[in-house]
Amino acid sequence: NAGVTQTPKFQVLKTGQSMTLQCAQDMNHEYMSWYRQDPGMGLRLIHYSVGAGITDQGEVPNGYNVSRSTTEDFPLRLLSAAPSQTSVYFCASSYTRGDTQYFGPGTRLTVL
Amino acid sequence: AQSVTQLGSHVSVSEGALVLLRCNYSSSVPPYLFWYVQYPNQGLQLLLKYTTGATLVKGINGFEAEFKKSETSFHLTKPSAHMSDAAEYFCAVRISGGSYIPTFGRGTSLIVHP
Repeated sequence: NAGVTQTPKFQVLKTGQSMTLQCAQDMNHEYMSWYRQDPGMGLRLIHYSVGAGITDQGEVPNGYNVSRSTTEDFPLRLLSAAPSQTSVYFCASSYTRGDTQYFGPGTRLTVL
Repeated sequence: AQSVTQLGSHVSVSEGALVLLRCNYSSSVPPYLFWYVQYPNQGLQLLLKYTTGATLVKGINGFEAEFKKSETSFHLTKPSAHMSDAAEYFCAVRISGGSYIPTFGRGTSLIVHP
């Protein structure tokens, strides 16, 4: 199993550009989440999904969209990038509610 | 509401010394508690977790943690630090029967000196 994969590993954007961060898992997990990690802030939840077709907002959803058309994929879209979105983004999945989360390697995003 | 507090953003120990990373939580119902480790430029991976049952939980790489309900704590310990333990450690809590969403602490960076 590849586990949780994320692409790209690094990305530089200009303010106002849009892009999609890809996340996929091959463990047949129902639950998937997107977090951002900023120095001294820990991990903050952006959006999550409890199954295909079902998504909900987390703690810091503004400026981000998600969709879950399949169990495997959970892309995160930045609609109009802002410097405040410079961060490291992690995707995670788990089999059941409250179970161990499996994290991807992260995407380091810089917005100029 | 649930929350997690990790005391100390940085902890520095000598190789071979005891490691103690502190985590306190607030929850009105019995929680599930987790410790994750993040090595440089990597994602997080589970060290150990407490759900129910035995309050002393053993994890990977010689780490263990004890759930103390009366102190609302879940401190992480290791008897003897190794250079390879240098990493960022995150405590997380999620309440049983409630939302699936865990809350993470802000993290503690463990520095190990030779």
